[in-house]
Amino acid sequence: DAGVTQSPTHLIKTRGQQVTLRCSPKSGHDTVSWYQQALGQGPQFIFQYYEEEERQRGNFPDRFSGHQFPNYSSELNVNALLLGDSALYLCASSPSWDLGYTFGSGTRLTVV
Amino acid sequence: DAKTTQPTSMDCAEGRAANLPCNHSTISGNEYVYWYRQIHSQGPQYIIHGLKNNETNEMASLIITEDRKSSTLILPHATLRDTAVYYCMRRRGDTGRRALTFGSGTRLQVQP
Repeated sequence: DAGVTQSPTHLIKTRGQQVTLRCSPKSGHDTVSWYQQALGQGPQFIFQYYEEEERQRGNFPDRFSGHQFPNYSSELNVNALLLGDSALYLCASSPSWDLGYTFGSGTRLTVV
Repeated sequence: DAKTTQPTSMDCAEGRAANLPCNHSTISGNEYVYWYRQIHSQGPQYIIHGLKNNETNEMASLIITEDRKSSTLILPHATLRDTAVYYCMRRRGDTGRRALTFGSGTRLQVQP
């Protein structure tokens, strides 16, 4: 059974560009959360989706947006990229009844 | 934000028990203690969680003090593969959809 799958694994973008990251949750999981992890820091919560709507949001500007599809997969979009957006972006999935999350291996985004 | 305090780093000899402390002195009655770890270049991995009783699974044991103000994660026989950053977190247990709040964690180095 595949766990959480993220694509791409690595990405290089230029300042000002837009980027879309993708996440397929673990089978049976309907909730997807996104986290940003800067080098040497713990992951920071961006937002969470279930039932195709954003349900919780962390302290991130609206340049960060997302979407969840009927098959529970999700996208994270970041507009007007800044150098400070360079980070590891992690997707985590969970079923509604379980308190544990399963994380993917992340997408390493570098903004130059 | 729910806060916990952990030592920045710890060393442990291979084969010995690793005891990782966490302070959560302002924890609320409905908050669980969660532990995750992150091995280099991977997403965080769930280890264990507990409310007030001690817990044990195939990975580790969690000892929570009677006043619930602190806890200790115990890896009974540490191996080199246990080298990772260990995160202790508080999380309300009333829903499986509540975000995780990561701190800086404890960097555990298992020495041969």
